[in-house]
Amino acid sequence: KNQVEQSPQSLIILEGKNCTLQCNYTVSPFSNLRWYKQDTGRGPVSLTIMTFSENTKSNGRYTATLDADTKQSSLHITASQLSDSASYICVVSVIRNAGNMLTFGGGTRLMVKP
Amino acid sequence: SQTIHQWPATLVQPVGSPLSLECTVEGTSNPNLYWYRQAAGRGLQLLFYSVGIGQISSEVPQNLSASRPQDRQFILSSKKLLLSDSGFYLCAWSKRWPGGGDTEAFFGQGTRLTVV
Repeated sequence: KNQVEQSPQSLIILEGKNCTLQCNYTVSPFSNLRWYKQDTGRGPVSLTIMTFSENTKSNGRYTATLDADTKQSSLHITASQLSDSASYICVVSVIRNAGNMLTFGGGTRLMVKP
Repeated sequence: SQTIHQWPATLVQPVGSPLSLECTVEGTSNPNLYWYRQAAGRGLQLLFYSVGIGQISSEVPQNLSASRPQDRQFILSSKKLLLSDSGFYLCAWSKRWPGGGDTEAFFGQGTRLTVV
């Protein structure tokens, strides 16, 4: 079982609409949680990073929330644009003896249609 | 500024042939280094990570190996490729802080490997 679960696996929305992507994790001890956007055939690019004490962080039309108690995070996209079509990946940084290690979710593939 | 280079961008190799993908990081020292694979339509799967020269941890058993001969160089290899090795391979780095925390990860542009 993947230690970082994302839902839905895929999502289709109309341009201008809002959407929310979910991320649940079981890995511990937790250091921070990041959301990445990955365009097809490209490397992921960071959208937000939140530490244990942060509940919400925004980056333009992207707003991420974190509930460290329930181990849940969400990424809310407002007023979607065609360029938002991509995979969105939740990444949890886990504290290991030799340093932190990243654990990736399977991603949500978002398609924004005109 | 820091940059990460990964090459080649695309590669077509026959079954049974060897593989060597290289990743180098510039502008930083002692980074954490990662190799990921992404099968078509799937999420990123961590293959190897390294916290220092010669220190390699493998996350999943597979036909691949990794080496870190220099601080900022990470190499993914295989002696004999399988059809199932096809996929999109990404190298990434993150800065490790003395207290154990690290910054966000920065990814290379990826290598699309097709084994035929």
